[in-house]
Amino acid sequence: DGGITQSPKYLFRKEGQNVTLSCEQNLNHDAMYWYRQDPGQGLRLIYYSQIVNDFQKGDIAEGYSVSREKKESFPLTVTSAQKNPTAFYLCASSPQGGRAEKLFFGSGTQLSVL
Amino acid sequence: AQRVTQPEKLLSVFKGAPVELKCNYSYSGSPELFWYVQYSRQRLQLLLRHISRESIKGFTADLNKGETSFHLKKPFAQEEDSAMYYCALTGRRALTFGSGTRLQVQP
Repeated sequence: DGGITQSPKYLFRKEGQNVTLSCEQNLNHDAMYWYRQDPGQGLRLIYYSQIVNDFQKGDIAEGYSVSREKKESFPLTVTSAQKNPTAFYLCASSPQGGRAEKLFFGSGTQLSVL
Repeated sequence: AQRVTQPEKLLSVFKGAPVELKCNYSYSGSPELFWYVQYSRQRLQLLLRHISRESIKGFTADLNKGETSFHLKKPFAQEEDSAMYYCALTGRRALTFGSGTRLQVQP
């Protein structure tokens, strides 16, 4: 099914390594988001972008970086500075980033540390 | 700061029993409130939002500004309602989620 595609489904990171999670959408949405999901903690906002070439930090941005060079793509890099990267990562998008808008979610990427 | 609290990690009920999933929020302005649901092996998806005043799959939620609550209710639970439910709000920034409540509906 179309919409939002996250890849890979599973990703393993070695100590000191940067890894990049892919998020692509074909919904023509302006806004995109990255959330981290940990057991018992729900979803926490990492970064979000309401327009191309612009993005804002969320609640837990340290150790992560993003780019928004194209409307349809919002990759997330987990850097070596992120000391506890093992989590399930969810990407989402919404039409214009409006406050009452519905978010559309991807199927997620599970990142684990080797 | 904006915050969402879901006090119950797990709620277990029998089929046909009423369900109430609790959600309290903290936000100084006028929030937009939502309930999202994640069924087994499916993506997280919107269930309902307070601005629409809708009932989806028999669920309703009323915003109580005095008690800063947005509890999700259904009069008669069905087995297919078993899922993870997240309350969320939008304030000055992107959507903030609660920690979620797992609803188990037993036959």
